[in-house]
Amino acid sequence: DAGITQSPRHKVTETGTPVTLRCHQTENHRYMYWYRQDPGHGLRLIHYSYGVKDTDKGEVSDGYSVSRSKTEDFLLTLESATSSQTSVYFCAISDGSGSGNQPQHFGDGTRLSIL
Amino acid sequence: GQNIDQPTEMTATEGAIVQINCTYQTSGFNGLFWYQQHAGEAPTFLSYNVLDGLEEKGRFSSFLSRSKGYSYLLLKELQMKDSASYLCAVRTGGSYIPTFGRGTSLIVHP
Repeated sequence: DAGITQSPRHKVTETGTPVTLRCHQTENHRYMYWYRQDPGHGLRLIHYSYGVKDTDKGEVSDGYSVSRSKTEDFLLTLESATSSQTSVYFCAISDGSGSGNQPQHFGDGTRLSIL
Repeated sequence: GQNIDQPTEMTATEGAIVQINCTYQTSGFNGLFWYQQHAGEAPTFLSYNVLDGLEEKGRFSSFLSRSKGYSYLLLKELQMKDSASYLCAVRTGGSYIPTFGRGTSLIVHP
């Protein structure tokens, strides 16, 4: 299994508080991604990174920011959490530039509840 | 953008064969992935197709027709542990990031 660790695995917090989720990899893969998964919507890309300090927005980036100061760590921050951000968050990693069959490998997810 | 369609739910009997379809509308197709996701767990990679035809991997096979914008995942000799969601993801040439369909929940019953 790919070495991906997400922390925390579960979190309950209140509306308006800041939340940071961490993704740590030991595979030295260049690409890292944050997804959220909600019933009826499948996996939706929030932000992704193609190298240290290189990040870009996905389709549902509003209300989220990311940082990648080291190859192995990709942080997702909710500056002021809202109830609509209650979801399961998955981190993924991949190697290669998009050609070939390099799949994404996913972490175990973080279940975030915002009350 | 991309439009990826999968059936929401399917049921099948243990020991049988099931085919899960995925249709997509996209430009610059550059690969299709299938993932399996058990409830409460992470998606795991099953197969990849970029050329037309069938890719076989044990009990699982995946087929692609680029001209029809169509793929299917074929599961043979179904086992109870195959009950899971199956996610189709399509990648276009302009991006290395695949877009996921909403997934098909497969229920295998005795």
